[in-house]
Amino acid sequence: QKEVEQDPGPLSVPEGAIVSLNCTYSNSAFQYFMWYRQYSRKGPELLMYTYSSGNKEDGRFTAQVDKSSKYISLFIRDSQPSDSATYLCAMSTDRGSTLGRLYFGRGTQLTVWP
Amino acid sequence: GAGVSQSPRYKVAKRGQDVALRCDPISGHVSLFWYQQALGQGPEFLTYFQNEAQLDKSGLPSDRFFAERPEGSVSTLKIQRTQQEDSAVYLCASSLRAADHFDEQFFGPGTRLTVL
Repeated sequence: QKEVEQDPGPLSVPEGAIVSLNCTYSNSAFQYFMWYRQYSRKGPELLMYTYSSGNKEDGRFTAQVDKSSKYISLFIRDSQPSDSATYLCAMSTDRGSTLGRLYFGRGTQLTVWP
Repeated sequence: GAGVSQSPRYKVAKRGQDVALRCDPISGHVSLFWYQQALGQGPEFLTYFQNEAQLDKSGLPSDRFFAERPEGSVSTLKIQRTQQEDSAVYLCASSLRAADHFDEQFFGPGTRLTVL
């Protein structure tokens, strides 16, 4: 079993819909929780990150972390066709020999149709 | 400013050939990471450099994989005697400070390696 699990989808929604993406994890040492967006044939780019538990909002995007359940979510409001991409969750520790290393989910492919 | 660049963007190798993949990180970035992304999967960590020191190579899948960053800037990932299972996108990422500080990792576009 991988340390980070993510449903690969694909997910297809109409423009304007609210999108919910999520990941579960097994390593309780994870403290940084990130969401990356990856367009086809491109490298991942960071959307948001959260340290420990809680919520964080940035425009149309909201990230939530529930460490008690080992569950993280990304919500996209008023989704746009330009949001169509693969969304990767990623996590890292804040100490120890694995500092800096990112552990990724397999990504969820999202299509927003006009 | 320039981001992380990688070359070549695409590489086709015959099984058994050696390949070398190059990463040019953002200028001044201390940390450099290599990841391997198989088709339909998320990136998997390979190795980490802090300046020229390779501090973590625990993700390298076999002794056929070797990475270096001799002057603390450009890095090369070398794969000897390539196998079909090495086919993947190889991503390089850099971040401003050492890994004991959380920093955004900026990714390059990757090198897509196909081993025939």
